[in-house]
Amino acid sequence: QQQVKQSPQSLIVQKGGIPIINCAYENTAFDYFPWYQQFPGKGPALLIAIRPDVSEKKEGRFTISFNKSAKQFSLHIMDSQPGDSATYFCAASKGRDDKIIFGKGTRLHILP
Amino acid sequence: DAGITQSPRHKVTETGTPVTLRCHQTENHRYMYWYRQDPGHGLRLIHYSYGVKDTDKGEVSDGYSVSRSKTEDFLLTLESATSSQTSVYFCAISGGGSGSYNEQFFGPGTRLTVL
Repeated sequence: QQQVKQSPQSLIVQKGGIPIINCAYENTAFDYFPWYQQFPGKGPALLIAIRPDVSEKKEGRFTISFNKSAKQFSLHIMDSQPGDSATYFCAASKGRDDKIIFGKGTRLHILP
Repeated sequence: DAGITQSPRHKVTETGTPVTLRCHQTENHRYMYWYRQDPGHGLRLIHYSYGVKDTDKGEVSDGYSVSRSKTEDFLLTLESATSSQTSVYFCAISGGGSGSYNEQFFGPGTRLTVL
């Protein structure tokens, strides 16, 4: 049973555009929603994370929007650059010590 | 980068042979994880450890075993490798330092090919 569903699988955007990656979760006990970024040949790295007590979080050009009632959250990348080309994973967990459940990933390509 | 190393980084082996992958951390983090990454499947948890000699299964644990005799080392063993275990394996750690307990730090990965 996949607990975190991510879409789209792949995305191509022109430089300067705003790619949006969406995730939906099922378990209402989840209370931590991170996004990980992975470049080819590297391990994933934490990009930004949100907890359900806020609806939006911004860090630089990256924004998470969170809709608790719909059990959905999304990543927006403002003024996207070719260097943002990577695979992005959404994830969720509950509690301080819980395992993280990852989505299947979105391969993003930003055209120069 | 968090102090996580994986060895070997690349390995080619034959079906039926045993294989052990090593994850070593210098961060004194409590939790350690093994994932496999395959196209179309994302990151799937194989096994994890919440302390020395304390381990538990993840969603794809069949055919794999783990051991953690020291805080810094987490070993993943394929007792008899199969072609379906060809994958990229990532180790991750969490639970320590200034980061959130939920934040995981990943190693560089091991590419395993089973012929």
